[in-house]
Amino acid sequence: GAGVSQSPSNKVTEKGKDVELRCDPISGHTALYWYRQSLGQGLEFLIYFQGNSAPDKSGLPSDRFSAERTGGSVSTLTIQRTQQEDSAVYLCASSSGTDSWWYTFGSGTRLTVV
Amino acid sequence: RKEVEQDPGPFNVPEGATVAFNCTYSNSASQSFFWYRQDCRKEPKLLMSVYSSGNEDGRFTAQLNRASQYISLLIRDSKLSDSATYLCVATTSGTYKYIFGTGTRLKVLA
Repeated sequence: GAGVSQSPSNKVTEKGKDVELRCDPISGHTALYWYRQSLGQGLEFLIYFQGNSAPDKSGLPSDRFSAERTGGSVSTLTIQRTQQEDSAVYLCASSSGTDSWWYTFGSGTRLTVV
Repeated sequence: RKEVEQDPGPFNVPEGATVAFNCTYSNSASQSFFWYRQDCRKEPKLLMSVYSSGNEDGRFTAQLNRASQYISLLIRDSKLSDSATYLCVATTSGTYKYIFGTGTRLKVLA
């Protein structure tokens, strides 16, 4: 696609429920990243994919968080048993993997846990 | 201590003013640096890369000082449309991971 697409754009969920956030990167971009931005905070790294593998998942805050990428394209970030502190904007970015310092961000998923 | 630190502001400046932001980084292995702009409730967008030799793009100038481990962004002739949060980013060799500062908020006033 022309840009990085994320869905849903907004998600309100009840505490304890599981949620899935989706990211569709720019076509041909091999690198994909998930970040989280809490209110008034900077962007916090969660996980990096190169192709379908995740060489760096050091930012996932707990074992309730997992992510996968299939076909070297779409990625899904799953949060199990959501907590109120999970409320944030979840941003996905992709890069070409060659000129790879340059991220293009999606517009994010705003997650609210009530 | 955060790896990348910025003054959160807000910087309130009149239209036409010159404003400068600094950003310090603690990891001496950091190799590449960027400034991103983020509008309210929007995703960050690349503003410019930062090079040791300096980088100018119209009204915007970015500088890197490796000895003192800081980068700067200078905005000349501020416009109302420059109002946004400016995010400083550092990356280290061998990783594509961006380390973001918390951002500096700029408000340009009419």
